[in-house]
Amino acid sequence: GAVVSQHPSRVICKSGTSVKIECRSLDFQATTMFWYRQFPKQSLMLMATSNEGSKATYEQGVEKDKFLINHASLTLSTLTVTSAHPEDSSFYICSARAGTLRGYTFGSGTRLTVV
Amino acid sequence: GQQVMQIPQYQHVQEGEDFTTYCNSSTTLSNIQWYKQRPGGHPVFLIQLVKSGEVKKQKRLTFQFGEAKKNSSLHITATQTTDVGTYFCAGLTGNQFYFGTGTSLTVIP
Repeated sequence: GAVVSQHPSRVICKSGTSVKIECRSLDFQATTMFWYRQFPKQSLMLMATSNEGSKATYEQGVEKDKFLINHASLTLSTLTVTSAHPEDSSFYICSARAGTLRGYTFGSGTRLTVV
Repeated sequence: GQQVMQIPQYQHVQEGEDFTTYCNSSTTLSNIQWYKQRPGGHPVFLIQLVKSGEVKKQKRLTFQFGEAKKNSSLHITATQTTDVGTYFCAGLTGNQFYFGTGTSLTVIP
């Protein structure tokens, strides 16, 4: 149980375009989902906390107008990278928790390359 | 700000040798979790520790939570090639989990 599905797994886009990444909890409801960014050989950096039915909470230094988060239902959160630039190329990964006694379940991640 | 550091950053061991990674927080943690990320993969939850001084075992893996709840360790006995990956701790402060810097383990056959 506690599966999180993330799509797409890989995306290559042109500079200036926008990319949407979806994160779905398949067998549980997630009122909160988390979006992370990971650079090669580095740790996961929390970007924002996505809250169902309300605005996301962004970490310091993360541009909310660039990384749009929508959590429209209890099973779906989306991250849209707007006007992407090469420096936005990274591994983006979402996570959610099925219960307080369980760990976080991560999606499989999205490797974004902006050319 | 909250910082969770792990040492070492990299570790190369011969298959069969033991391995330990240490996690240290600048603040007291409510609980701590450990994750394993294989190369090219996503983090997979291993375990959660909540109590001060808690020790848990999973086969060859032993997890400890410090008495002051500011540090933790993961010890692998007799490493195997399947243990390759990056091990992250994640500490809970308030409502946020902060991931450690990770320890990348390479096992040489």
